[in-house]
Amino acid sequence: QLQLQESGPGLVKPSETLSLTCTVSGVSISSSSYYWGWIRQPPGKGLEWIGSIYYSGSTYYNPSLKSRVTISVDTSKSQFSLNLTSVTAADTAVYYCARESSKCTSTSCTPSISNSWGQGTLVTVSS
Amino acid sequence: EIVLTQSPGTLSLSPGERATLSCRASQSVSGTYLAWYQQKPGQAPRLLIYGASTRATGIPDRFSGSGSGTDFSLTISRLEPEDFAVYYCQQYGSSRTFGQGTKVEIK
Repeated sequence: QLQLQESGPGLVKPSETLSLTCTVSGVSISSSSYYWGWIRQPPGKGLEWIGSIYYSGSTYYNPSLKSRVTISVDTSKSQFSLNLTSVTAADTAVYYCARESSKCTSTSCTPSISNSWGQGTLVTVSS
Repeated sequence: EIVLTQSPGTLSLSPGERATLSCRASQSVSGTYLAWYQQKPGQAPRLLIYGASTRATGIPDRFSGSGSGTDFSLTISRLEPEDFAVYYCQQYGSSRTFGQGTKVEIK
């Protein structure tokens, strides 16, 4: 049974880097059928897709966050990670990791829907 | 970026009633790449519908989705107590964006 578990600091200072890891268990992170993504939700607000990664290392980022985001994967540890640089209070949110299905055309595949989610972890940006 | 606007913001209904939620896109969503999620307080979202009208695994048939182009809807035929929650639409035809959510509350 698939399980995703987020881990990382719950408090980050402004201008620093937010770093989170998602540990995947119950399935292979190297499955060719899925991507692995990060979504966040500020307190009391809606959802925002941050980005996704394939086991090979191919990444897809939200254009509005692209300049500050790096997502990486470590298949040997069955983990993928999120780094968000130069954080401000606006980055305070619950961060979810998720497994995502592929959407393929005749020429390429990209991440699509998030069909399994971790429980989420609250990260507060404050001095 | 495709902006999704959900309406109404809040829907007040009684158990057993029919709920119809709307999601309108700022431009056409290619390939009916539109999904719906349900989120209850303190929980992660749960995928309900993808491809505008296909129910995800384990989702009851009282949930149905429809639409194409810029106008999509989620219908809950008869509200059960566990259906009171916030619902989000998401397009994945061009990058990925979410709507702001519709809260279905008990009247």
